[in-house]
Amino acid sequence: EAGVVQSPRYKIIEKKQPVAFWCNPISGHNTLYWYLQNLGQGPELLIRYENEEAVDDSQLPKDRFSAERLKGVDSTLKIQPAELGDSAVYLCASSLGGTSTDTQYFGPGTRLTVL
Amino acid sequence: TQLLEQSPQFLSIQEGENLTVYCNSSSVFSSLQWYRQEPGEGPVLLVTVVTGGEVKKLKRLTFQFGDARKDSSLHITAAQPGDTGLYLCAGISSNTGKLIFGQGTTLQVKP
Repeated sequence: EAGVVQSPRYKIIEKKQPVAFWCNPISGHNTLYWYLQNLGQGPELLIRYENEEAVDDSQLPKDRFSAERLKGVDSTLKIQPAELGDSAVYLCASSLGGTSTDTQYFGPGTRLTVL
Repeated sequence: TQLLEQSPQFLSIQEGENLTVYCNSSSVFSSLQWYRQEPGEGPVLLVTVVTGGEVKKLKRLTFQFGDARKDSSLHITAAQPGDTGLYLCAGISSNTGKLIFGQGTTLQVKP
């Protein structure tokens, strides 16, 4: 069974440019998460989707970050415009359901470098 | 805000040595998880502990959940180079159900 797929794996952009990350969750998983992981830190939740509905986006900086999961499967996370401090790894995870007992499976992440 | 603090942050040991990583909080968690993350990959779940005082063993790894469900430890016996990686503890908030990660412990096992 395929795991969570993310692309691109690496992205280097200049500040003020837009950037987008794509995630394809494990087939059949209704819940999708986007996390941000800074170097030497644990992941921090940005947004959680139940099917196509964003049920928790309280930690998403909405002035420059946006996300969508239009058909309740793939998801895209966008930053516009990117800032130097956005350099980090962006992880996508999925789980069968959205309860605390559902195991989250993580993708390999997209490493973003903003110059 | 519920926080999890891990110690030590970095650990470099020789193959065959034992080690313990600690995960502490002032808050109670409904359950706690341990993950291992290799460079360029996402975290992979190792274990979930749910009951205060619970001990789980996974080959050479022993996980313990504190009686008060505020802390946890991971003990590795006879570490091997393949154990090298970032170990993350994550608590499931009793209030929100969210997964809250510690900052991680980077382990390097030298052959």
